[in-house]
Amino acid sequence: AQKVTQAQTEISVVEKEDVTLDCVYETRDTTYYLFWYKQPPSGELVFLIRRNSFDEQNEISGRYSWNFQKSTSSFNFTITASQVVDSAVYFCALSPTSGGGADGLTFGKGTHLIIQP
Amino acid sequence: DTAVSQTPKYLVTQMGNDKSIKCEQNLGHDTMYWYKQDSKKFLKIMFSYNNKELIINETVPNRFSPKSPDKAHLNLHINSLELGDSAVYFCASSQGPRGSYGYTFGSGTRLTVV
Repeated sequence: AQKVTQAQTEISVVEKEDVTLDCVYETRDTTYYLFWYKQPPSGELVFLIRRNSFDEQNEISGRYSWNFQKSTSSFNFTITASQVVDSAVYFCALSPTSGGGADGLTFGKGTHLIIQP
Repeated sequence: DTAVSQTPKYLVTQMGNDKSIKCEQNLGHDTMYWYKQDSKKFLKIMFSYNNKELIINETVPNRFSPKSPDKAHLNLHINSLELGDSAVYFCASSQGPRGSYGYTFGSGTRLTVV
């Protein structure tokens, strides 16, 4: 069984602060994908990143960066110099890469990020 | 062109009614899914459909049934609606059953049962 834990239910910071969203996962699969999605107040799910378990390199995309540590089963997401438009619910998710069936994504419960002006 | 489109966007209906939500994808993907997002924002997979193989999450009541007329469509039928069915339902698709190329989500259907 797979499980994704986002222990931070809600985070509130002032604009321009850096903020890190934590994600810890459990899986018996040897290979898997990890994802982050953003859900702004408008409700749609916006894809941010997909990471293969083989690739432990950290990734940076503009103000966003991701730290994947297989040893601690964590895939944390950092926003640098946060902006009000970053306010949203952020989901970490896990998907297997092998085996039968079509399991789709296992989501964490989400972290509600509030950026105050 | 919208990649994964769901209709309707909002659906308000009375308890006991039967309703359907339609989903269409124009990406050529071979696997489609339905997810439910409850009032606490928790997202959980309900069904996945790949090459005529349907995989059902065991927690989904049998009042819910997916119907796939072709590879581009996976509609969700709900019988005898209950108050607890109120949620946002997301359709998604992927190429291959493992999301090797990622998952694309529709914009969601907010279902309210009164």
